[in-house]
Amino acid sequence: GQNIDQPTEMTATEGAIVQINCTYQTSGFNGLFWYQQHAGEAPTFLSYNVLDGLEEKGRFSSFLSRSKGYSYLLLKELQMKDSASYLCAVMDSNYQLIWGAGTKLIIKP
Amino acid sequence: GAVVSQHPSWVICKSGTSVKIECRSLDFQATTMFWYRQFPKQSLMLMATSNEGSKATYEQGVEKDKFLINHASLTLSTLTVTSAHPEDSSFYICSAKSPLAGDTDTQYFGPGTRLTVL
Repeated sequence: GQNIDQPTEMTATEGAIVQINCTYQTSGFNGLFWYQQHAGEAPTFLSYNVLDGLEEKGRFSSFLSRSKGYSYLLLKELQMKDSASYLCAVMDSNYQLIWGAGTKLIIKP
Repeated sequence: GAVVSQHPSWVICKSGTSVKIECRSLDFQATTMFWYRQFPKQSLMLMATSNEGSKATYEQGVEKDKFLINHASLTLSTLTVTSAHPEDSSFYICSAKSPLAGDTDTQYFGPGTRLTVL
């Protein structure tokens, strides 16, 4: 079967760095997405990786290793507004998005 | 660019009535739109894929006669929840693929519609 694993919840301190991991087992691979979702709101797109390596976008970076079926989202200089759920999603060989359950990130002052 | 809107933002209805939710791509044409539902503290669940000018493709377990999807134009898809019941209360979110150069697979989400059925 297809499976996306990410931690249920993480806690970090304002100003610090946090890494949210995502491992996947899917039938085929056509890219991995990270979305941010604040409580009660729809997801917003953060990043897309299809090749191995690190993609940096401001305070957020996303890394992919296809051979390991592994990705992480790195958030630097954490702000209180970064408190949200972070969803990992993989596009399989049929171009269907397989969603992880999301990681709830709690930022403490 | 790639802005998706939904209307209404929230709706409360009586059991047995039907509710229509609109999803619009505001600054691009979307040949494919997706409808999701999300229960509290759970991840997104894809309900159906909506292609302009053709019938929607429903995921297993989603009743096509209960959740009517119409994608009549390149900028509008509608989801109608027919004969709604309290168990249909959920957060319904649409998304669309933006055909911007080099970005054909990213889905952009509407703000969502919170449906409460009494």
